[in-house]
Amino acid sequence: KAGVTQTPRYLIKTRGQQVTLSCSPISGHRSVSWYQQTPGQGLQFLFEYFSETQRNKGNFPGRFSGRQFSNSRSEMNVSTLELGDSALYLCASSKGQGPDTQYFGPGTRLTVL
Amino acid sequence: GNSVTQMEGPVTLSEEAFLTINCTYTATGYPSLFWYVQYPGEGLQLLLKATKADDKGSNKGFEATYRKETTSFHLEKGSVQVSDSAVYFCAPLGSGGSNYKLTFGKGTLLTVNP
Repeated sequence: KAGVTQTPRYLIKTRGQQVTLSCSPISGHRSVSWYQQTPGQGLQFLFEYFSETQRNKGNFPGRFSGRQFSNSRSEMNVSTLELGDSALYLCASSKGQGPDTQYFGPGTRLTVL
Repeated sequence: GNSVTQMEGPVTLSEEAFLTINCTYTATGYPSLFWYVQYPGEGLQLLLKATKADDKGSNKGFEATYRKETTSFHLEKGSVQVSDSAVYFCAPLGSGGSNYKLTFGKGTLLTVNP
């Protein structure tokens, strides 16, 4: 079975721009979660989608948004980029029924200049 | 919400040494517990898990036991290898309602020297 894939792997943007990251979950998984990893704050939960609905949300500003499609693929969008948004963005998928194991993708490294 | 206190690193060991990385957590209810490992430039890989009290998770020589009475999930390996050099994360999975998010510790950097 193919693992979680994320595209692109690397992105460079400038302040004020917006960016869209994509995540394709493991086949059969209906839940996709997004996490941000930075040296200062560590790994923080952004949001989780299940069956095209946002089920959980972390403490991030409204500039961070996401969506999930009917095939369970998910995208997250960050608008009006700030320097502090530079991070590794990780997506994880799970079956979504109860406390299932989450499997992570390789991440997208976003650099904001 | 959940929280995790993980042993501060970095930890430097010689090959074949014994490894312990301490992890304690606070949580509502009885969460599933996970250890993930991150190699340089990569995402997180599931190392092992335990879903209920007294369960022992194991994989690749690593072990951790779910201790409800001490709210701990310490990671151990009897003989580390150079290839085990990585960052290790302990994480309980939220168990309240549909709150299935992982709460991560700060991570412990392990370096194993030949």
